[in-house]
Order: sequence, then structure tokens, then C-alpha cells
Amino acid sequence: GAGVSQSPSNKVTEKGKDVELRCDPISGHTALYWYRQSLGQGLEFLIYFQGNSAPDKSGLPSDRFSAERTGGSVSTLTIQRTQQEDSAVYLCASSRQGVTDTQYFGPGTRLTVL
Amino acid sequence: GENVEQHPSTLSVQEGDSAVIKCTYSDSASNYFPWYKQELGKRPQLIIDIRSNVGEKKDQRIAVTLNKTAKHFSLHITETQPEDSAVYFCAASTSGYSTLTFGKGTMLLVSP
Repeated sequence: GAGVSQSPSNKVTEKGKDVELRCDPISGHTALYWYRQSLGQGLEFLIYFQGNSAPDKSGLPSDRFSAERTGGSVSTLTIQRTQQEDSAVYLCASSRQGVTDTQYFGPGTRLTVL
Repeated sequence: GENVEQHPSTLSVQEGDSAVIKCTYSDSASNYFPWYKQELGKRPQLIIDIRSNVGEKKDQRIAVTLNKTAKHFSLHITETQPEDSAVYFCAASTSGYSTLTFGKGTMLLVSP
């Protein structure tokens, strides 16, 4: 079946501009996660959605970052007033139910802020 | 919150040798420990996981061991092959919590 998809695959933007990154999880997966991976670094948790529950936003690095998940499916991560330190690969993952289920990752969006 | 330490950060072995990557965790309530493999330019993919009710799990050339008392778990790869070259991440999480905490990764290089 279809895996997790993300768009765009690459995004180059100028400092100060807003960007939107999209994630389409695996159909039927109720849990959705966003991570950030800087060059040569590990996976930094950003935000977690589970069903209709309030999202866990504890990993968002600043109030310039926000995310929403519409209809329990597609999610959008928005970064406002981008900074050069926001440059990274943004990975989305989904799992069937919760954090102890296998997470399936999307291909990521490589964000470059000039 | 949970803290996961992973060692070594890089590991070079000859084809056919074994490789061992070790992780420690801080939260004694953690009960799920997956390992992900990320090839260059690719997405992370689960290769094996273990839950706290077992001490060891094996899948062909890879195995994971868990020591709950010492709060550490390890990935063992036997008969390494060049296609095993990748970055390996360990992680830990607890049922009822939302966060899967990852280690910083181990770059494994298998030389032919």
C-alpha cells in the first residue's frame, strides 16, 4: 500500500518568509509525528497528533512553528519568519495507534533558508 | 523526560565481522525500544524492536538485547555486509507518552 508521503521534497526560501510543509500519513494511521533532522544529527521530536486528542507540541522549538492536522489525516507544518537555523530535513511519520507502534517515515522535506 | 545515549558515534568494520551498537536510557518506565536504519539520503526504516517483557529478539543477522536493570539495550549485527553501511538510531518510549526519544545515531561503515 501507499506509504507516508511528504511535499515538497525540497524547499528553498529566503530568511523571513513563511513555509508550509505537507504530510500525508498512511491511511488508517491515527498517530502522526513531525521530526527535524539537521545535517549529521539525530531526530528531534517536534509535535505529535493522536486521533482527536490535543496535539503534544512540547518539541516545537519556538512560537514560529505550528502544525495542524485536518480531518485526522493530512498534516501541515508551518514555519513563520524562517531563520537560517531552521534549515534541516523535516520528517513526518505515522503509526497505527500510538508511540509504541512502528513508525513509518516519509521521505522528508529538505528546507534551505538562505 | 527520557534521555537516550548511543555509542559509538561511528563504527568501521570489515565485511564478515560483527558490529555492536549500545544505547542507554534514563526512564525506567520506558518499555519499547526500536532500532531504525537510515541509508544515505533515505528515510529511517525500522529494522527491529523489542519490548520490555523480553530480553532478546533475533531476526536473521540482527539481534537486540535488553537489560532493564542496567537500562541499556544493544543492536548486534553478525556477518556484516557492505549494504549494512548506514546510520543506525536507537530509541525508547513509554506507553501512554507521546514521545519516541532517539539516540544521536551511529554511522556504520562496512568495508569489503
